[in-house]
Amino acid sequence: GAVVSQHPSWVICKSGTSVKIECRSLDFQATTMFWYRQFPKQSLMLMATSNEGSKATYEQGVEKDKFLINHASLTLSTLTVTSAHPEDSSFYICSARVVFTDTQYFGPGTRLTVL
Amino acid sequence: AQRVTQPEKLLSVFKGAPVELKCNYSYSGSPELFWYVQYSRQRLQLLLRHISRESIKGFTADLNKGETSFHLKKPFAQEEDSAMYYCALRRGTDKLIFGTGTRLQVFP
Repeated sequence: GAVVSQHPSWVICKSGTSVKIECRSLDFQATTMFWYRQFPKQSLMLMATSNEGSKATYEQGVEKDKFLINHASLTLSTLTVTSAHPEDSSFYICSARVVFTDTQYFGPGTRLTVL
Repeated sequence: AQRVTQPEKLLSVFKGAPVELKCNYSYSGSPELFWYVQYSRQRLQLLLRHISRESIKGFTADLNKGETSFHLKKPFAQEEDSAMYYCALRRGTDKLIFGTGTRLQVFP
């Protein structure tokens, strides 16, 4: 089946630094990728929809200048958490929609801890 | 507003017992509903979708528009069914709205 990878799987950083998380579709092309955030014992909350070659669409309440999304190719989207603070610590999950279908595959997630 | 509610955070049963994981939704349009499952230390994966009307791993779910529900059922639970289950509603063409999830524990 289709595989979505995320890198890194976990990261610890100091407050004020920026962190980049990559989401890759390994064996299929994805015109659309999604970024979710999951707090402990809570549900996945959609942060933004990333479309290849265009600007991401952010959900209400998500700061686009804080969470920079780039979708430069059909197999890669990146999420950069800028000037990270402890409250940004969370589990970030991406999913990718197979082109010409409505099937989404999820990545394994990236755990971000900001000290 | 679109919303998915899973009232139970934890559901514990013994092997062989029937299982029903509840899901209710609110959505003004025609809903498309899904169940996703996350086994321990694995990624989220699609279990089934209402438009397929199929049974996966013995699980079924029927969309009840009158009760706005999409409960997940299995007549005889197995230990390997232990996992986190999320009900999700698709909004528009792509966006998924997830419920808070129900952890299913199946004891031997």
